[in-house]
Amino acid sequence: GDSVTQMEGPVTLSEEAFLTINCTYTATGYPSLFWYVQYPGEGLQLLLKATKADDKGSNKGFEATYRKETTSFHLEKGSVQVSDSAVYFCALSREFQGAQKLVFGQGTRLTINP
Amino acid sequence: DGGITQSPKYLFRKEGQNVTLSCEQNLNHDAMYWYRQDPGQGLRLIYYSQIVNDFQKGDIAEGYSVSREKKESFPLTVTSAQKNPTAFYLCASSFWAATGELFFGEGSRLTVL
Repeated sequence: GDSVTQMEGPVTLSEEAFLTINCTYTATGYPSLFWYVQYPGEGLQLLLKATKADDKGSNKGFEATYRKETTSFHLEKGSVQVSDSAVYFCALSREFQGAQKLVFGQGTRLTINP
Repeated sequence: DGGITQSPKYLFRKEGQNVTLSCEQNLNHDAMYWYRQDPGQGLRLIYYSQIVNDFQKGDIAEGYSVSREKKESFPLTVTSAQKNPTAFYLCASSFWAATGELFFGEGSRLTVL
């Protein structure tokens, strides 16, 4: 079945450091790919998405490119801020009878120190 | 403001009791979902509903029940049959056949004493 694997956390960086969180997936066909972010005590929010191969999703300085050849969707940011501290989830999605079935990775906790 | 409202935010339950978590949305979304979140395990799908009066089991439906009598509401009951109910529960919704974007509530944390 479909699955998503993220790099293990926690990840701790200093402010203005470069961030990469790795994500690879296993799926048949070409699912849509997502990064969601969860701030402390809150639900998840969509950060960015890509719906087909070679698409680049971007938002708030974060970027991720849908790489079909490596089945990857790594999240990057050039200069992180303390406010980026959160848990990040990579996910893939399939439309199924009108619903969106999301498969999530286990999440990567990111802490940014001033 | 449009969004998803979950209640209660925190809930304590004794073993053997059923408990119902509320989820209401005013986004006019057709589909609604319940996920369970455990530390280090990501989110797992419990139940989902594409339309009113219809719902489907997700990956971990045992010990849970749902209803969808109104488009706006999708309550989840955690029954005494659920062996390990302590968790963070997240409700979400989406447009029918949208490209995977789910809107999430802020979650309900259930603790069994």
